[in-house]
This record gives sequence, C-alpha cells and structure tokens, in this order.
Amino acid sequence: EVQLLESGGGLVQPGGSLRISCAGSGFTFSSYAMTWVRQAPGKGLEWVSTIVSAGDNTFYADSVKGRFTISRDNPQNTLYLQMNTLRAEDTAVYFCVRNWAGDYWGQGTLVIVSS
Amino acid sequence: EIVMTQTPLSSLVTLGQPASISCRSSRSLVHSDGNTYLRWLHQRPGQPPRLLIHMISHRFSGVPDRFSGSGAGTEFTLRISRVEAEDVGLYYCMQGSQFPYTFGQGTKVEIK
Repeated sequence: EVQLLESGGGLVQPGGSLRISCAGSGFTFSSYAMTWVRQAPGKGLEWVSTIVSAGDNTFYADSVKGRFTISRDNPQNTLYLQMNTLRAEDTAVYFCVRNWAGDYWGQGTLVIVSS
Repeated sequence: EIVMTQTPLSSLVTLGQPASISCRSSRSLVHSDGNTYLRWLHQRPGQPPRLLIHMISHRFSGVPDRFSGSGAGTEFTLRISRVEAEDVGLYYCMQGSQFPYTFGQGTKVEIK
C-alpha cells in the first residue's frame, strides 16, 4: 500500500524558516518524481514544486521561487521542502504527492505563518 | 500560465441521478509527447484530495466505474452516472501538461 506521511508543520513567524518532510513507503520511492501541493484554509489547491526521481531537476511556482527548496533523500525514502522567508500567504496545508501531477496524496501537514 | 475554469461551481444533485462538471483550459493541454495530462480529483471534507481520472478518461485504481471523463484540447467533462452519498465534496480539474501545473477553482457537489 502506497503511503505518504508528512511531518514538520507548525507555527512560524513571518520571515522565518521551516522544513517539512514526507516519508514514502509501499512503493519504489527512487523511481518517482515527487510533488508538493498546498491548500490555504478554505481555499483551492495550488501546485508548489516538483522534483524528478533522481533529484537533479526541480520546478517551482513563481510564488515560492527563490524562497522554497525541494529536495529528496532516496535511500531514506524522504521528500523535503525547505521554506525560507515565510509570509502570511504561505499559510496552508502542504500535501506530499507521488508523481509529476500526482496520483497518491498524503494527509498533509499544516504550516501557519503568523506573529 | 494555463488557467483552468470549472462550471458549475456548485451543484445540488439527487441520489441516483447523474451529474456532470465541465472544465475549460485557457490553452490546449496536448503535451509535446502527444498526451493530454488532464486530471480530476475529489476531496471530501477534512480529507486530502484523491485522484479519480487521469489523462482525460483513465480511471485511477479503485475508482468506481460510475465516474467517467471525456474531452479534448481545451474542453473536458467529468460525469457521475448515478450519484451516491459518498460522492459529496469538492471536485477539481488539474492540468499537468505544462508548468506551472494549475487547478480549477473547484466544484462543490451536495445532495438534495
């Protein structure tokens, strides 16, 4: 069974940093591109970033480019999102998603940016 | 970026009756590899989205056959042949043909 378990969310002040993680299991993690998608409270879905299976190519939404960094540790079956210079508008549930445009989704981790 | 527009934004349906949602993209979703990466997702309240349909019309693993997708180019439709109580929630179309990937606004389906 494919499982994606996000962790690391929480409350952070504007301008601060946070790293969230996603542990994958039940599939060959290193064979799949991985994606982060976020959903602000009561709002729709927004694609954030995608990383190719080998980790050597990444893609970002303009809203996070230069502030967020996606990475992965294939031997540890883990996906990361390093978020710097956080803004209030980054407040959202962040979903880890398998594959380019997503087939399996994790439960999400909530990031709140507030003073 | 490609803008995805869904209609209607809200739908009140009777159990056992059909329902449909339309999705229009601002540009063709045909990828350079010839495929069209149009997906439909369903999100129940308090739950993460789950994939229903990929590449316009391919049902994902475990998705009931009452769900079907159709369309081409810039016009796409999700149909539910007979709505069941578990089908309530938000439905999103999403394009994965070009970065940035983009979603429709979501269509809320409720039971009468």
